[in-house]
Amino acid sequence: EAAVTQSPRNKVTVTGGNVTLSCRQTNSHNYMYWYRQDTGHGLRLIHYSYGAGNLQIGDVPDGYKATRTTQEDFFLLLELASPSQTSLYFCASSDRESGNTLYFGEGSRLIVV
Amino acid sequence: LAKTTQPPSMEAYEGQEVNVSCSHTNIATSEYIYWYRQVPHQGPQFIIQGYKDYVVNEVASLFISADRKLSTLSLPWVSLRDAAVYYCIVTGANSGTYQRFGTGTKLQVVP
Repeated sequence: EAAVTQSPRNKVTVTGGNVTLSCRQTNSHNYMYWYRQDTGHGLRLIHYSYGAGNLQIGDVPDGYKATRTTQEDFFLLLELASPSQTSLYFCASSDRESGNTLYFGEGSRLIVV
Repeated sequence: LAKTTQPPSMEAYEGQEVNVSCSHTNIATSEYIYWYRQVPHQGPQFIIQGYKDYVVNEVASLFISADRKLSTLSLPWVSLRDAAVYYCIVTGANSGTYQRFGTGTKLQVVP
C-alpha cells in the first residue's frame, strides 16, 4: 500500500510566525504535491515537484515556499504566516507507473492566530 | 480553474444505487478521467480511472459518454460509509500534468 505521511498533524502559530510542514512518501514516486483545502474552494494546488531539487508553482503559491530535498521528502514553508493561511494542508505523491493516481497523506491542520 | 462540473450535492438512501455525473466538455484527447472520494478528516482516495466506454472495479463503475464530455460514477448499494465528497478530475495519465480539484459532489446517505 502506498504511504504518504505528514507532520505535524496539527499546528497553531501566531501571525508572522515560521512554519514548516513535512511530507514523506515511501512509494518511490517522482511527483509530490502540496494542496490546501478550504471550505467552498475544494483542494487547491500550492506547489509540486517532480524530483529532488525541483519545484513547480501551482495555482495558489503566494506566501508559500517549498523544497524537495530527496525523492521521499517534500516540505512546505510558511515564513511569515498569516491568518489567511489557516487551512487544511494535504501532501500527495504520484508516478507514471501508478497511472498518475494521487496518493494523499492524512492532512496537516494549521491555524494562524 | 477546474475543468469539470459536478452537482454540488446529492442524497440517497442506504441500499440505493447512486450515479454521480461529471461534465468535462473541454477534455483533451490525451486526458483521462479520475474519480476520488474524501471522507471527513482524511485525504482524498482514488476510486476509479477511465478513458472511454465503461470501466468497473470492486468499488464502483464508470461510464464515459461516446464524445467523452460526460462521465458518470456509479456506486452500487451505498451504505453510510459511502457518505463523502466525490471529485471528478481530468488530466493526462503521464506524470507532469497536475490534477486540479473542483469542489466535488457531497453525497449524503440516509439510513
